[in-house]
Amino acid sequence: SQKIEQNSEALNIQEGKTATLTCNYTNYSPAYLQWYRQDPGRGPVFLLLIRENEKEKRKERLKVTFDTTLKQSLFHITASQPADSATYLCALVLYSSASKIIFGSGTRLSIRP
Amino acid sequence: NAGVTQTPKFRILKIGQSMTLQCTQDMNHNYMYWYRQDPGMGLKLIYYSVGAGITDKGEVPNGYNVSRSTTEDFPLRLELAAPSQTSVYFCASSYSPGGNSYEQYFGPGTRLTVT
Repeated sequence: SQKIEQNSEALNIQEGKTATLTCNYTNYSPAYLQWYRQDPGRGPVFLLLIRENEKEKRKERLKVTFDTTLKQSLFHITASQPADSATYLCALVLYSSASKIIFGSGTRLSIRP
Repeated sequence: NAGVTQTPKFRILKIGQSMTLQCTQDMNHNYMYWYRQDPGMGLKLIYYSVGAGITDKGEVPNGYNVSRSTTEDFPLRLELAAPSQTSVYFCASSYSPGGNSYEQYFGPGTRLTVT
């Protein structure tokens, strides 16, 4: 069956450390993988996209990797801050239907001062 | 630009009632989407539209209907509300695939409770 899975447990880390979130997928062929941030009571906000032929993408303190052999993406926030606390969703854009994006259930990240 | 707007923000329905969730975007996006998000879960696609007059089913379309008469508006209709439709509903829009990011822009959501 097709699945997209993120860390089911919430992640709590100390301010200043690097947060690493995982997104694994099964039986999908994504052309692209996206990461979104969602704050409580709000809609998701797009952060980054990485293409299947890109190994790594960076934007300010964010870094995303994409390993199509392992079928996994890692999302890193370096020098984390309490303001980074939110739920982070990964999403697949498929070759078979680029008009439909498949979302994971998200990982809740808490950064303690 | 207001982006994607949704109304109402909150609604309580009785079982069997009907309602329409409104969604409007002012970014001239061709693609629009309706998702539902249950607590602790990801977004499930209900319906989507690739342009005015064109709609298609997503993963969980049962119990819902949509129409797309203009580029800007994409209302979601619940005909006979059931408790299983209690959820937060998000509308989103994007440029046509082929752009650089496939970025979806989301509205603030409608929290619906059916009792």
